[in-house]
Amino acid sequence: TVMTQFPATLSVSPGESATLSCRASQRIDTNLAWYQQTPGQAPRLLIYGASNRATGIPARFSGSGFGTEFTLLINNLQSEDVAVYYCQQYHTWPPVTFGGGTKVEI
Amino acid sequence: QEQLVESGGGVVQPGKSLTLSCKTSGFVFRRSGVHWVRQAPGKGLEWVAVISSDGSTSHYAESVQGRFTISRDESKSTVFLRMDRVNSDDTAVYYCAKDAPGDFWIMAVWGHGTTVIVS
Repeated sequence: TVMTQFPATLSVSPGESATLSCRASQRIDTNLAWYQQTPGQAPRLLIYGASNRATGIPARFSGSGFGTEFTLLINNLQSEDVAVYYCQQYHTWPPVTFGGGTKVEI
Repeated sequence: QEQLVESGGGVVQPGKSLTLSCKTSGFVFRRSGVHWVRQAPGKGLEWVAVISSDGSTSHYAESVQGRFTISRDESKSTVFLRMDRVNSDDTAVYYCAKDAPGDFWIMAVWGHGTTVIVS
């Protein structure tokens, strides 16, 4: 399953919202996760099951979608949210597949 | 807290072998599957391999099938990735990650990574 993320780069002002998109080449129900990778760090799980926040993830991060179209919404963008965000499908495996990432910058 | 620490990276010549280690702590190792995911310089994430909690099942990406072997040592709470016949495409940061409770294919906690350079 090919995962496509857009846009490749998103510039957002502090306090504004960022909307990231992820599209699957075939239906994956809600078997989608989002990961955040801040500069120089390892990825971190943000969202699983398309809309469930992982432990410790702030409520300003929310996920939605079903089937082939998914969205990660970051409200009230903070400076620490500057990162590359990856979606990953786990409906069809192996392999699980990641999107190419969306870079969020201030 | 749950931790995974990778080691064993370095510079390796094409065609040679290297073994990476992922030492875990802070969770019940025997209940957790562990993945390896890699990231080539300036690129995105690529899933590499996974081993089940009891070690009975493993899966590999097509790009490493037949060259890489994942294994685990319960007594050391450690997962290994043996890399044989490496080539330049294997140059990457290698992360290990534990699965999420109840879902084998979600990578819930990640290590900091270890760098492999094939040259």
